[in-house]
Order: sequence, then structure tokens, then C-alpha cells
Amino acid sequence: AQSVTQLGSHVSVSEGALVLLRCNYSSSVPPYLFWYVQYPNQGLQLLLKYTSAATLVKGINGFEAEFKKSETSFHLTKPSAHMSDAAEYFCAVSPQGGSEKLVFGKGTKLTVNP
Amino acid sequence: NAGVTQTPKFRVLKTGQSMTLLCAQDMNHEYMYWYRQDPGMGLRLIHYSVGEGTTAKGEVPDGYNVSRLKKQNFLLGLESAAPSQTSVYFCASSYLQSSQPQHFGDGTRLSIL
Repeated sequence: AQSVTQLGSHVSVSEGALVLLRCNYSSSVPPYLFWYVQYPNQGLQLLLKYTSAATLVKGINGFEAEFKKSETSFHLTKPSAHMSDAAEYFCAVSPQGGSEKLVFGKGTKLTVNP
Repeated sequence: NAGVTQTPKFRVLKTGQSMTLLCAQDMNHEYMYWYRQDPGMGLRLIHYSVGEGTTAKGEVPDGYNVSRLKKQNFLLGLESAAPSQTSVYFCASSYLQSSQPQHFGDGTRLSIL
């Protein structure tokens, strides 16, 4: 069975600092991978997705993620944090070749300090 | 361009009461899902549907029922609400392919007293 592990339930950075949110997956074959963001009192919004076209994926709001098969990782980064980035971030995995279900990590809450 | 719409947005129930949460999508998606979100637990799949007239159990289906009589609607029912069902409920929908992302509604905050 597939699983997703997000290291760190809470991450705190200063405004302007690098944001790094970690996601590792377990899968026998490279899956499809997604990062979602959830702002307070809202639903989840898609940030970016990996579907095997390119290992470095650029998303909205300046975020990007790199798929590393050897490390089974899909970490999310942003060079310079902004106050508006404060939210909860979820990594999710779906197997290639067909499953209708996503498996979500437990989420990482990002705090940005002025 | 509504996307996924959930009603109601908030609800308070007493233990033992019943209610139905409605999800509507206007993107012609085949798949629809109901999740619950609890602190520290991430999102857990309750039930899902791969097409009109079909439903399937997810990770935490006990105490809930669902129906998908129309492609655009997915209903989640609580027959006899329990305090353990206090949660935020999210509906999502997606196209057939597993490479396609899910689109989420804004959630329903449900408290069971």
C-alpha cells in the first residue's frame, strides 16, 4: 500500500527565508505526486503536480518541487517566504496506471514570522 | 465558475440527529469524494464514487452513507450523529485519470453536541 510521510507537522521561517517542506512516499513504481495548500477556513488548492514529464515542477505562488526517484522524495521549496504563504501544506500520491484514490500526508503547517 | 460547492457551511447537531451534506460540481467530473479533516490526522477518505449510481467505501466509512443519483451531486448522510463525527468535511471531484488533481470545496464545519 502506498503511503506519504511529511516530515515536520510545523515549520516556522522568517519572511524572506527559504521554505523547505519535506515529503517522502512509498511506492513500487513512480507515482503521480501532488502538493496542495490550505489557507485558514478554506478547502485545498492545487499548488503543483508531478506526472513524469519533468522532475522539477513549478507551481503557483513561486513554489516548486523536485521529484527524486532515488530518494523517493518530492520536497516543496520556495526561495523567499512571504507572509501570505502561511498555511497548511499537504503532499499526496496517486499510483500511475489507475487508482481513483489519493493518499494524503498528514500536513505541515507553515508559519512565517515578520 | 463555481467548481465544487458544499452546503451547508456550518451546522450544529445534537447526538442522534440526522442530516445530509450536499456536494455539487459543475466540471463534469466522473469521480467524487468525501473526506473528513481532524487536527493532526490529515484528510481521511470516507466514501467515494467513480460515476453516477456508484459508491464505494473509503478509509473511515462507518456511520456515514452516500448517494450519487446525478453525476454532478454527491450526498453524505449521517443517520444518527455522534460526537466523534464532529469534524470538517470536504467534498472533492476529479476526472478519470489518476494524473488529474482533485478539486475541493470549501468545507462544512459540523459540530455534534
